[in-house]
Amino acid sequence: QVHLQQSGPGLVKPSQTLSLTCAISGDSVSTNRAIWNWIRQSPSRGLEWLGRTYYRSKWYTDYAISVKSRISVNPDTSKNQFSLQLNSVTPDDTAVYYCARDLHGAYYYDYWGQGTLVTVSS
Amino acid sequence: QSVLTQPPSASGTPGQRVTISCSGGSSNIGINPVGWYHQLPGTAPKVLIHSNNQRPSGVPDRFSGSKSGTSASLAISALQSEDEADYYCATWDDSLKGWVFGGGTKLTVL
Repeated sequence: QVHLQQSGPGLVKPSQTLSLTCAISGDSVSTNRAIWNWIRQSPSRGLEWLGRTYYRSKWYTDYAISVKSRISVNPDTSKNQFSLQLNSVTPDDTAVYYCARDLHGAYYYDYWGQGTLVTVSS
Repeated sequence: QSVLTQPPSASGTPGQRVTISCSGGSSNIGINPVGWYHQLPGTAPKVLIHSNNQRPSGVPDRFSGSKSGTSASLAISALQSEDEADYYCATWDDSLKGWVFGGGTKLTVL
């Protein structure tokens, strides 16, 4: 059974960096089968995919166009986890952030983290 | 505003059959498999249907999915009070090179 445990601050000041971590148990961040994603949800934007990382002989990352200039998703193989960094946040980035796994070729998210409400406010 | 279009609300009485539509385009639903998720308040979405019409183990056969062209549908038969939730469709968009979601449909069981 795969379990994704999110951690990180729930309050970030405008213009600062939002940082979240997703710790994986029951699978490996380095597996060739899985893709590790960050998704957020807010009343104004609904569900929005932000980015992903995966390993296929080397590490790959893909980012949503809407946040591409200020996002970074990185694996941490020593801790079996992956992280999200979103720079220069504004109140519009206030949302519940989720990490989620999908399997290569499966086209759906089978495991999700518990969600983290991040509020951007001074 | 969402790339995939869903009706904002749907309703039915216990025992009825309800369908929820999801409309997209040639770069997403038209060429990629669709998944359906339901979400209860305060919890993460959970997959109900994947690959257009496949149910993960544990999902009742009251839930079914279909796809035709650039649209997909989720059908819920023998509606139960616990089916009251938000429902979302999702797929990959080859033009945007990213996942896209529907805006969600709030299902009310009257």
